Amino acid sequence: EIVLTQSPATLSLSPGERATLSCGASQSVSSSYLAWYQQKPGLAPRLLIYDASSRATGIPDRFSGSGSGTDFTLTISRLEPEDFAVYYCQQYRSFGQGTKLEIK
Amino acid sequence: QVQLVQSGSELKKPGASVKVSCKASGYTFTSYAMNWVRQAPGQGLEWMGWINTNTGNPTYAQGFTGRFVFSLDTSVSTAYLQISSLKAEDTAVYYCARDSRYSSGWYYWGQGTLVTVSS
Repeated sequence: EIVLTQSPATLSLSPGERATLSCGASQSVSSSYLAWYQQKPGLAPRLLIYDASSRATGIPDRFSGSGSGTDFTLTISRLEPEDFAVYYCQQYRSFGQGTKLEIK
Repeated sequence: QVQLVQSGSELKKPGASVKVSCKASGYTFTSYAMNWVRQAPGQGLEWMGWINTNTGNPTYAQGFTGRFVFSLDTSVSTAYLQISSLKAEDTAVYYCARDSRYSSGWYYWGQGTLVTVSS
């Protein structure tokens, strides 16, 4: 079973800044099966990125995904107030533990 | 449009059972597997398993065998999660999520069902 480790656990940034979130896999992952989600309190997760780098329908282009093998990154180019939330990576049916993006 | 609508919140006593429903609409129910995901209060997402909506065959993740049962009623396009012998640690939000056929990630999720186990 692949274990996904996200870092940092918490990221404190200001609106307008760039956010870089990491997801490391315990063994090489097919890039076709890495996804990123955003979750806000009381809501279901929202798919942002699938297949490591493809944006889901309706997701703003400030969100981008990259990486391959064991190291993957979600980048938010310029933070908007609504972007502060918890982010999860997923490979097949395993989830990372999440990164909380909070307002500095 | 595709929708997954889950049943409402439940308050149960330890030892009781609960059955959560996930009604699908907007697509052919038997064409996509259904996943179940648990989120304990303040915690992350935990995959519980999935059910093949074509065959009804369930697969349970480690830690979700024995007390957890996935089932279907294809006549009403609904998936079910039943938990028996409830414990306080089963208190969580339970989500259904439609599997993807050709890509990673699950686009469609139910709104979640809060199950609270308390005496």
